[in-house]
Amino acid sequence: QSVLTQPPSVSAAPGQKVTISCSGSSSNIGNNYVSWYQQLPGTAPKLLIYENNKRPSGIPDRFSGSKSGTSATLGITGLQTGDEADYYCGTWDSSLSGVVFGGGTKVTVL
Amino acid sequence: EVQLVESGGGLVQFGGSLRLSCAASGFTFSRYWMSWVRQAPGKGLEWVANINQVGSEIHSVDSMKGRFTISRDNAKNSVYLQMNNLRGEDTAVYYCARVGYSSSTWDYWGQGTLVTVSS
Repeated sequence: QSVLTQPPSVSAAPGQKVTISCSGSSSNIGNNYVSWYQQLPGTAPKLLIYENNKRPSGIPDRFSGSKSGTSATLGITGLQTGDEADYYCGTWDSSLSGVVFGGGTKVTVL
Repeated sequence: EVQLVESGGGLVQFGGSLRLSCAASGFTFSRYWMSWVRQAPGKGLEWVANINQVGSEIHSVDSMKGRFTISRDNAKNSVYLQMNNLRGEDTAVYYCARVGYSSSTWDYWGQGTLVTVSS
């Protein structure tokens, strides 16, 4: 059971938009930055979003992040077959004094 | 180019020990916190431990304290994970990652090394 809650899967047609939610509490999302990672099949995770809504260099603006209260959201617009992957949210948990993750969301392009 | 290369994984028996290594290059290693993150087969990501730039501050998961120890050698640009008393649930791919931007953000990851604990 993950500390952060994500939907197991989301799907949409190419070119469409998907959003992935990440729900937590005041000890984690509510008072700390959220990061998002993409993990393509058989590869290491890759940083997509940091500090709630910032993109590292090289990440297209089709990927966006937001946070409100104790929840965060990752948005992917203009969905491509290459976006099929598992997506994880993560943040620091002040009560646990450690990093916590969501269980991951599998994105399927129909 | 930033590179993180893990080594030391393999098959180990229940109760055994293993030491993972991660060799860093392409950046000033001594300026960054480093971490280990693991992923059991078919499961999600699980943070293991963080270590600060000089090895004086360590954060780790409570469930692994006493069995897993993170350390680093800045002269060798390397970070390590000593794993003792290994259990079946420790079977996972172990990733070395560089902490960037904030304490829960990793901007570069290694390719991972597989640890299999078996009887």
